[in-house]
Parts: sequence; C-alpha cells; structure tokens
Amino acid sequence: NAGVTQTPKFRVLKTGQSMTLLCAQDMNHEYMYWYRQDPGMGLRLIHYSVGEGTTAKGEVPDGYNVSRLKKQNFLLGLESAAPSQTSVYFCASSWLGGPVTRGYEQYFGPGTRLTVT
Amino acid sequence: KNEVEQSPQNLTAQEGEFITINCSYSVGISALHWLQQHPGGGIVSLFMLSSGKKKHGRLIATINIQEKHSSLHITASHPRDSAVYICAVSVPSGGGADGLTFGKGTHLIIQP
Repeated sequence: NAGVTQTPKFRVLKTGQSMTLLCAQDMNHEYMYWYRQDPGMGLRLIHYSVGEGTTAKGEVPDGYNVSRLKKQNFLLGLESAAPSQTSVYFCASSWLGGPVTRGYEQYFGPGTRLTVT
Repeated sequence: KNEVEQSPQNLTAQEGEFITINCSYSVGISALHWLQQHPGGGIVSLFMLSSGKKKHGRLIATINIQEKHSSLHITASHPRDSAVYICAVSVPSGGGADGLTFGKGTHLIIQP
C-alpha cells in the first residue's frame, strides 16, 4: 500500500494564480483532512471530509476550497494564491469504526511545499 | 478553542539519556496524539491515547485526563530519535470527524 500520497511535492506560484493539490489514500479511510504547517504556528486544520461528497471547514479555511468526489481523493484548491498561503500542506486520513486500538489515528502524506511570490 | 502547550520547545541531550516531553491542553478531548516529524518533513503517528499509558519500544506515553496533561518519554535515547515531537488533541467536530489541534512541537536533538 502507498498509504497517503500528495501531488505535487513542490510548487512555486505567483500571486493571483490558481492551483489544486491532490491527496490520495489507498486505505479505504472515510475521513480526510488538509492541514497547513507554518514556522512557529504548528499545524492547523484547513478543511476536512467525513466521506465522499461531504466537506467541512476547519480552523483556517479562508482562501481555500476542497472537493471529495471520490472516497480515495481529497483536493485542495487555491483560486487566487496570496503570499500568506506560502506554507507546507499536509493531507491526512483516518478510519471510521476501525479496530479499537486504532481509533482515529491519522495517517499523514509527505507534504507539499508551496511558495507564493 | 483548545490550546495545546508543549514544553520544552527545544531539548538537546546526550545519547542514552532519559527524555521527557510534556503537553498540556485546556479543554476536554476525545484523544491525545503524539506525532514525530523528521527533518525530511514526514509526519508519523507514534501514539493515540485517551487514558492511562502506552508503550512502544523505547517510547512511553502517559495521559492524566483530570490534569489535562500528557508526557512522552524516550528511554535510552539515540541520535536517530532526533526529530520534532508534536502533541495534538482530537476535538470532536459537528460531523464527527476529529480534526486535530496541534502544539507547536518540541525540537529534540540527541548528541552522540
């Protein structure tokens, strides 16, 4: 199993450009999450999804949109990138109703480093 | 909003030392997670616990729900343990998905 994969690994955008980050998981997880990690701030939840076709806002959703058209994929979109969105983006997924010892342990992707100039 | 505080922020120790990293949080949680992030950036879940104590190899995690406090211990530390250790708590959201609230991490360096 590949686990959680993210595409691309690195990207440089100019202010105002748009892009989509792709997260894919092959563990049949119901829940998927997008986080951003900034120096001195820790990781923060952007959006999450509890299943195919459903999404919800997290702590810092402004400037981002998401879609979960297929259970295994969770897309994060930036419609008009801003320098404040320069960050490392992590996708994660977790089970629902897995073994008791697992609970809602989250599995993380390798991250996407995005720079907006 | 749950606040998650970790201490220390930075820790340098000699190989073989016993390491303790602390985490405190402000409101009720469904579970507490300890994560490890290596310099390459990847994040790995070490423990998820809601009570008591868990042990995996040289790593031990404990939680005191009444005191809203958790500790991560590393016994017989080794340079390969050098990483950022992140405490995070599961906060139940309306849809049932436990999005995590993270501490800022503890940067651990183990010197040979």
